[in-house]
Amino acid sequence: EAQVTQNPRYLITVTGKKLTVTCSQNMNHEYMSWYRQDPGLGLRQIYYSMNVEVTDKGDVPEGYKVSRKEKRNFPLILESPSPNQTSLYFCASSFRGAGELFFGEGSRLTVL
Amino acid sequence: GQNIDQPTEMTATEGAIVQINCTYQTSGFNGLFWYQQHAGEAPTFLSYNVLDGLEEKGRFSSFLSRSKGYSYLLLKELQMKDSASYLCAVYYYKLSFGAGTTVTVRA
Repeated sequence: EAQVTQNPRYLITVTGKKLTVTCSQNMNHEYMSWYRQDPGLGLRQIYYSMNVEVTDKGDVPEGYKVSRKEKRNFPLILESPSPNQTSLYFCASSFRGAGELFFGEGSRLTVL
Repeated sequence: GQNIDQPTEMTATEGAIVQINCTYQTSGFNGLFWYQQHAGEAPTFLSYNVLDGLEEKGRFSSFLSRSKGYSYLLLKELQMKDSASYLCAVYYYKLSFGAGTTVTVRA
């Protein structure tokens, strides 16, 4: 089954404790992206990757890091989480970035 | 930059028609997407317009006017399961989303 898988789905952590949200897709998509969704603000892009070893900042990259060492994986790293990073995070992929985005189920992160 | 506007909320009755408008002012344009997102779930693709005109897909239709920076999503024969948020997104080298319109369908 074609899918984008994110882990963990739910996480409560404390300020400053490094965490990684994993994302994996099995569709051989070149393009992958991370979004955060906050009430009233919609989906905002954090980082995206056009292919392996090619990543770029989205609209709200501060406080986040990513890497794309393999085509299927695109982890999101919060080196020192802060409460303003409490949000619902979505990973998404598409064949080339111009097409239909396939979203993971989301990861709800709470930073205390 | 990208500026995408859509109404925050709409309410309609089961069996009725609802039209969700989306206006955009963007630095460029390569296409417009509509996504549906049920509460607590991931967005799913509904439609894609790249040329002016109406695209129909079952009960859902999407219209685009590039000269006016305007699109709408038309939901016909509303069903309770259509209660969801509908996200307008403009593609120009990347996808930029509006804040979404929450549609509530009442019996």
